[in-house]
Amino acid sequence: AQRVTQPEKLLSVFKGAPVELKCNYSYSGSPELFWYVQYSRQRLQLLLRHISRESIKGFTADLNKGETSFHLKKPFAQEEDSAMYYCALSRTGNQFYFGTGTSLTVIP
Amino acid sequence: EAGVAQSPRYKIIEKRQSVAFWCNPISGHATLYWYQQILGQGPKLLIQFQNNGVVDDSQLPKDRFSAERLKGVDSTLKIQPAKLEDSAVYLCASSALLAKNIQYFGAGTRLSVL
Repeated sequence: AQRVTQPEKLLSVFKGAPVELKCNYSYSGSPELFWYVQYSRQRLQLLLRHISRESIKGFTADLNKGETSFHLKKPFAQEEDSAMYYCALSRTGNQFYFGTGTSLTVIP
Repeated sequence: EAGVAQSPRYKIIEKRQSVAFWCNPISGHATLYWYQQILGQGPKLLIQFQNNGVVDDSQLPKDRFSAERLKGVDSTLKIQPAKLEDSAVYLCASSALLAKNIQYFGAGTRLSVL
């Protein structure tokens, strides 16, 4: 069975500190991994995908197939990064599975 | 471009009643998704359409939930009869055929079943 695990429901960091949001997955094939973000009073939106290997708003995420992880990282957190972050997995564009989410608070 | 439109934004019903939600995807998006998000959990995919055909409905409780996308554009999700545990936010999302993994979400419908 496919599963996405985000072990931290809440995460607080100080402004300027590094931040890492953890995501582990279980899947027997080659999944596509994503991070979605929901800012306060806004819609859920795509932050980044592992296949694009890009940095969005200073965030990066590397797919580690050996550890089945896709952690989201940013070297210097900003107050505007405070939001709910969801890790998600897809099988070839179908059957999307989301984690339970991590609420990130950046303390000024 | 206009985003994914959903209505109503909020709905309160009593258990055993029926309810329907409507979604209008971004123009030209062939793929449409319905998700259920229970408080404290991540979105759970209920059904995925490509045009007017169902791609995946493996997690749809078919004894009470139904969905259709008859003309391959807008879609309705129905619950009949509703149970207390159906209280959740119902999200609709759409994506373009050649970029299925980039989903655009609507604002959602918050359902409370009393």
